[in-house]
Amino acid sequence: QVQLQESGPGLVKPSDTLSLTCGVSGYSISSSNWWGWIRQPPGKGLEWIGYIYYSGSIHFNPSLKSRLTMSMDTSKNQFSLKLSSVTAVDTAVYYCARSNAAGTWFDPWGQGTLVTVSS
Amino acid sequence: QSALTQPASVSGSPGQSITISCTGSSSDVVGYNFISWYQQHPGKAPKVMIYEVSNRPSGVSNRFSGSKSGNTASLTISGLQAEDEADYYCSSYTGSTTVVFGGGTKLTVL
Repeated sequence: QVQLQESGPGLVKPSDTLSLTCGVSGYSISSSNWWGWIRQPPGKGLEWIGYIYYSGSIHFNPSLKSRLTMSMDTSKNQFSLKLSSVTAVDTAVYYCARSNAAGTWFDPWGQGTLVTVSS
Repeated sequence: QSALTQPASVSGSPGQSITISCTGSSSDVVGYNFISWYQQHPGKAPKVMIYEVSNRPSGVSNRFSGSKSGNTASLTISGLQAEDEADYYCSSYTGSTTVVFGGGTKLTVL
């Protein structure tokens, strides 16, 4: 059974960099899938952040592209997200999820982790 | 990229059928059959219910069905049950190699 688990600081200061890791169990991230990040501000809807392919190809949400970095660590079977210059509007539950080979839908999702941007 | 448009809320009584719409544009809903629907209960992660317009993943009840016509995709839930009460989000792949979500619809089972 494939499981994903987000990890990282729950509190980040404004202007700092948000860093999250998604550990994957029960499935190799070197398989032909996209591995994605989606966030949800408190009480609001879902926003696609971006995803990374097992080959290293990456696609980002254009509105966040200038602040984003994504990477994979196949030796640890995990992938990571970095979002720089954060502000309060980046406060959200961040989910990682596996996407299909075409990058068109997500299953399964991690449980999500709340990241609050505050001084 | 603009979010897909969904009604803020819909409601129905147990046993009834409801439909949630998802309106997009030529760069997403119209142009691609890559529409997916997600169910999210409070405090939980989203769960895919429909992918590629009308396909159900293994384990999802056949009470859930999806369709598309023009710039609008739809999720229909038949035989409404109390456990169906949740938020529902549509999503579409786009021509810019990105993914866009709808604003979400709160389903209330009366």
